[in-house]
Amino acid sequence: DARVTQTPRHKVTEMGQEVTMRCQPILGHNTVFWYRQTMMQGLELLAYFRNRAPLDDSGMPKDRFSAEMPDATLATLKIQPSEPRDSAVYFCASGAGRQGYTFGSGTRLTVV
Amino acid sequence: GQQVMQIPQYQHVQEGEDFTTYCNSSTTLSNIQWYKQRPGGHPVFLIQLVKSGEVKKQKRLTFQFGEAKKNSSLHITATQTTDVGTYFCAETFYNTDKLIFGTGTRLQVFP
Repeated sequence: DARVTQTPRHKVTEMGQEVTMRCQPILGHNTVFWYRQTMMQGLELLAYFRNRAPLDDSGMPKDRFSAEMPDATLATLKIQPSEPRDSAVYFCASGAGRQGYTFGSGTRLTVV
Repeated sequence: GQQVMQIPQYQHVQEGEDFTTYCNSSTTLSNIQWYKQRPGGHPVFLIQLVKSGEVKKQKRLTFQFGEAKKNSSLHITATQTTDVGTYFCAETFYNTDKLIFGTGTRLQVFP
């Protein structure tokens, strides 16, 4: 089965460090989402792309987060500088049209 | 940010009992999707509903979309321990692909 691949699976970093999370969407999927999941806030939409163009990043703290799709096989989410409150699981999901989306296994980020 | 309300937040049932989770929006939806997330896992797509009043079944799972396209429900008949997890509805709105997840209902099934 086709999968969405996220790396790294786990990341522990110190406050103030830069963190980059990567996502390889399923080939042919033209829509990519980034979500953050915490116990308190649930699944929050951070940003999404269609055909590599950013359509909405209103859910993202602009001063420290950035999301890009340098090509169709790679989406990145960067946090600089990281803070303890950024600790969460970050999911990438991809899909083609509105037919349901496939999630990656997530990156569990811990900022100490 | 935007959030979609789901009730209940938690549900504990005895194996064999039924379970229902409800999803409510204040605005009319283009479509609604349902996902299941096992503990420690990632959300997995279950189904999409598009039409007003639509009902779809997957084995013991029954999904409904309200007539006004503002609410939806997921009903599981005769729960099994394999049904354990958190069930999310996710909504899309007209003229956008933005997918907003509900608050989720965590289901625990006791044998």
